[in-house]
Amino acid sequence: DGGITQSPKYLFRKEGQNVTLSCEQNLNHDAMYWYRQDPGQGLRLIYYSQIVNDFQKGDIAEGYSVSREKKESFPLTVTSAQKNPTAFYLCASSSSGRGGSSSSYEQYFGPGTRLTVT
Amino acid sequence: DAKTTQPPSMDCAEGRAANLPCNHSTISGNEYVYWYRQIHSQGPQYIIHGLKNNETNEMASLIITEDRKSSTLILPHATLRDTAVYYCIVRTHLGETSGSRLTFGEGTQLTVNP
Repeated sequence: DGGITQSPKYLFRKEGQNVTLSCEQNLNHDAMYWYRQDPGQGLRLIYYSQIVNDFQKGDIAEGYSVSREKKESFPLTVTSAQKNPTAFYLCASSSSGRGGSSSSYEQYFGPGTRLTVT
Repeated sequence: DAKTTQPPSMDCAEGRAANLPCNHSTISGNEYVYWYRQIHSQGPQYIIHGLKNNETNEMASLIITEDRKSSTLILPHATLRDTAVYYCIVRTHLGETSGSRLTFGEGTQLTVNP
């Protein structure tokens, strides 16, 4: 089945530790995204990548880092510098992020990882 | 970025049409309107998108006003499984080489009642 997988579904860490969240897609999508969601709120963009070996900061990139060494994978590291890391993290991908001529910009989302830091 | 405004919550009776409004008065001429929904603790799901014309697919219909400053998502026969947060989003262009992005607001919590 094609889709996006995120692992693990639930993750617990002690304060001060870095943690890496996995995101893999087999949709052959060029673009991938990481969002954060806090209770009762909408999604906020952390980082996005339009193509392999390239990525840009979103609205709340501080305390996070990413890499895009392979088209299929876009791992997110939550560093100890992130002041409030406890949240629901969602990964997404789309067929193309470049250009304004494409009419379809449907993003496919993974099931999410719920991170709790104590 | 074009902003969207949605009511925080709405109720609908099962079997009836659910009409979810969205205001996007600062939308630019080449920006699309997208609708997603998120069932509790799951990833958002794409529903439909449009530019100027009304659109319909197997899930819903999208009605965009002529001036494009507002739109309405219509679920023709709401079921209990349609209970979710519905997000109206304007696709923001970053330029030909930088691509586009979607900015999610807080959405509308639709509750379908039996």
